[in-house]
Amino acid sequence: NAGVMQNPRHLVRRRGQEARLRCSPMKGHSHVYWYRQLPEEGLKFMVYLQKENIIDESGMPKERFSAEFPKEGPSILRIQQVVRGDSAAYFCASSPGGGPAHGYTFGSGTRLTVV
Amino acid sequence: SQQGEEDPQALSIQEGENATMNCSYKTSINNLQWYRQNSGRGLVHLILIRSNEREKHSGRLRVTLDTSKKSSSLLITASRAADTASYFCATDGGATNKLIFGTGTLLAVQP
Repeated sequence: NAGVMQNPRHLVRRRGQEARLRCSPMKGHSHVYWYRQLPEEGLKFMVYLQKENIIDESGMPKERFSAEFPKEGPSILRIQQVVRGDSAAYFCASSPGGGPAHGYTFGSGTRLTVV
Repeated sequence: SQQGEEDPQALSIQEGENATMNCSYKTSINNLQWYRQNSGRGLVHLILIRSNEREKHSGRLRVTLDTSKKSSSLLITASRAADTASYFCATDGGATNKLIFGTGTLLAVQP
């Protein structure tokens, strides 16, 4: 039973390009969460999704960022027109039920570098 | 900011010693969790303590929770070099959707 799979592990983008980060939850998990970690900081919540629905996007920047979790396939975090400040590690977690009390499993993260 | 704080920010000990890390948070909670993160890697869940619990053990880990002081501590006994990592506490902030992470403690265990 594979864990939460994120790809790519490392992503380099030039300013103004688009970044697409993928997350495949654990088998049987239908809840996905995206977090961002800036250097030397803790993780900050971005968005919580269930299949085909965004449940809570209170941590997402209003512009340039979007997330989806389609009926088929992985969850995608999309960052348009990236800027240097978007450089961070982006972690995905999944759970079988809603919320951390059901147990989160984190992926290994995607490290985005904007040059 | 709802983000909690941990202290110390960094801790260096010798192998075999005990390591204690503290976490303070700001809101009411349903539970508090501790995670470990090795350099450049993802987070590994260590232990969860519910708001109605005061202490919990898992192997060499001991977690305490004081909801009146909004604080928790993580004790690692008989530390090993492999325990070298960053340790984060995380609360649910009384909500059900997300975790609020502390700023982390960087633990270095010298062999």
